[in-house]
Amino acid sequence: EAGVTQFPSHSVIEKGQTVTLRCDPISGHDNLYWYRRVMGKEIKFLLHFVKESKQDESGMPNNRFLAERTGGTYSTLKVQPAELEDSGVYFCASSYLQGSSYNSPLHFGNGTRLTVT
Amino acid sequence: GEDVEQSLFLSVREGDSSVINCTYTDSSSTYLYWYKQEPGAGLQLLTYIFSNMDMKQDQRLTVLLNKKDKHLSLRIADTQTGDSAIYFCAETSGTYKYIFGTGTRLKVLA
Repeated sequence: EAGVTQFPSHSVIEKGQTVTLRCDPISGHDNLYWYRRVMGKEIKFLLHFVKESKQDESGMPNNRFLAERTGGTYSTLKVQPAELEDSGVYFCASSYLQGSSYNSPLHFGNGTRLTVT
Repeated sequence: GEDVEQSLFLSVREGDSSVINCTYTDSSSTYLYWYKQEPGAGLQLLTYIFSNMDMKQDQRLTVLLNKKDKHLSLRIADTQTGDSAIYFCAETSGTYKYIFGTGTRLKVLA
């Protein structure tokens, strides 16, 4: 089966510009998550979708970040306007079950490396 | 809040064993994972352990869990140059909110 795919793999933008990241989860996975790793620090949870509904967006840093999952398939994460501190690697993950279990861990994509200059 | 700590760097010689350590604070941790990130790649699930286990072995990988001390370790036997990567420890109490460590960069010297 195809894994979680993310596009683009890299993005370099200037401060104040807008960037949209895309994630295609594993087919059949209703649960989709966004995480990010900023400046070599720990990877942190941003938000969770079940199908097209946002279940938990407690990790979203501020209102410059907007995540959508129209139709319950792929998801986009828009940063507008981007700031320097938004630089990092944004990971998408998906799972069949909501939450984690012994046999249903989160499957992560390759990430999008965002650089804001 | 919950925290997971790892040392940042580890360097070993090819053929030696590597031991990557991780400590966590959440006493309700149920699942603990080790992920590997190779350069330019995503997070690959290496292995995992349930909190009621002390040890799990999977080919060259051995995971040890000391629940009393909240300490998790990953031992890689016969380390190869292809094992060079960043290794992330992660824990969860069963939810989707994984708490990750900062990652340990393993460098294998030929």
